[in-house]
Amino acid sequence: QLQLQESGPGLVRPSETLSLTCSVSGDSISSPSYYWGWIRQPPGKGLDWIGSINYSGTTHYNPSFKSRVTISVDRSKNQMSLKVRSVTAEDTAVYYCARHWASSIAASLDPWGQGTRVTVSS
Amino acid sequence: QSALTQPASVSGSRGQSITISCTGTSSDVGIYNLVSWYQHHPGKAPKLIIYEVDKRQSGTSNRFSGSKSGNTASLTISGLQAEDEAVYYCWSYTTANTVLFGGGTSVTVL
Repeated sequence: QLQLQESGPGLVRPSETLSLTCSVSGDSISSPSYYWGWIRQPPGKGLDWIGSINYSGTTHYNPSFKSRVTISVDRSKNQMSLKVRSVTAEDTAVYYCARHWASSIAASLDPWGQGTRVTVSS
Repeated sequence: QSALTQPASVSGSRGQSITISCTGTSSDVGIYNLVSWYQHHPGKAPKLIIYEVDKRQSGTSNRFSGSKSGNTASLTISGLQAEDEAVYYCWSYTTANTVLFGGGTSVTVL
């Protein structure tokens, strides 16, 4: 059964880089059949798509994040990573990873990880 | 890109039916049959319940149904039950080759 698990520091200082990892079990992130995505939910707000990547490293980003975000895959570790540069308090959120269930970002996201909470504060 | 528009909250009594709307534009909801709905209970992972406008994900109760007319998609929950209390998000693919969530609708079962 496919499972995704987000991990990373719960606290990041303003202006620094937020780095998160999504560990995949039960399937290979190297499969050409899927895209993998990052989504976040700021406190009291809705879900916001950050971006998605496939096995070959092709990425699609939300234009709102594009200049500050990098998504990558590590096939040897079966992981996906997210880096958000120059963070501010507005980057405080629960961050989720999920799999698109086909080889396009147009495909629905299923399943999702449980999410990891990140607070940006000095 | 602006979020798809959903009502902030909808409520209904047990056993009743409710409908949640999701309004986009001719660049997203209106042009593609690629609208999904997600159910999110606080503290848990969001769950896909409807995909491609009206297809139920495996394991989703047949009390949930989806539809679309023009730039507006809808999720209907019939026979409302206590466990349906959650936040529901619509989602659509766009002509800009991105994806977009709605702002979320909190469903309360009275």
